[in-house]
Amino acid sequence: RKEVEQDPGPFNVPEGATVAFNCTYSNSASQSFFWYRQDCRKEPKLLMSVYSSGNEDGRFTAQLNRASQYISLLIRDSKLSDSATYLCVVNSPPGTYKYIFGTGTRLKVLA
Amino acid sequence: NAGVTQTPKFRILKIGQSMTLQCAQDMNHNYMYWYRQDPGMGLKLIYYSVGAGITDKGEVPNGYNVSRSTTEDFPLRLELAAPSQTSVYFCAEGQDQETQYFGPGTRLLVL
Repeated sequence: RKEVEQDPGPFNVPEGATVAFNCTYSNSASQSFFWYRQDCRKEPKLLMSVYSSGNEDGRFTAQLNRASQYISLLIRDSKLSDSATYLCVVNSPPGTYKYIFGTGTRLKVLA
Repeated sequence: NAGVTQTPKFRILKIGQSMTLQCAQDMNHNYMYWYRQDPGMGLKLIYYSVGAGITDKGEVPNGYNVSRSTTEDFPLRLELAAPSQTSVYFCAEGQDQETQYFGPGTRLLVL
């Protein structure tokens, strides 16, 4: 089993739609979780950290489910500019400075 | 401030050649990282550093070396380039272990 797994997509959604991605991780002791966004041929950019209680940043909501070992990202009211690849990141081994990146989920928001 | 700068942007190497990928940050942050990203794959951690004079191996360190003589610079050295090292290389920095800010990347082609 991969340490971090994501559905590669693409998820094609119309503007204004709500879309959610999940990411599963294998190490139950992992402590730090993040979502990054990567545009085509560009560097990844931090979208948001994921906290145990869940957190929201505008149209974006991140959740952590420790029991099932997954994190999720919900995007409400999708914009054309949300089209990108969304990378799930987990620190592994837990408590270290090493980060494992998922291969990403591609989102295309259609006009 | 410019954040993270990487040079060169693009390079073609012949098998067996060596080169140094430069990475510099002007934020005076302690944490720096080198990743590679192959097409359709997640980022893989090559080396990281938690401060000047301190470096450690990541997931895929073979064929690479790093040094961290100053807080600002974290060069990545390829001694004997191989086709398997064809990739996009990203350098990242952060003020703590929770956040990483990436440079624009160096595209390397080994023929």
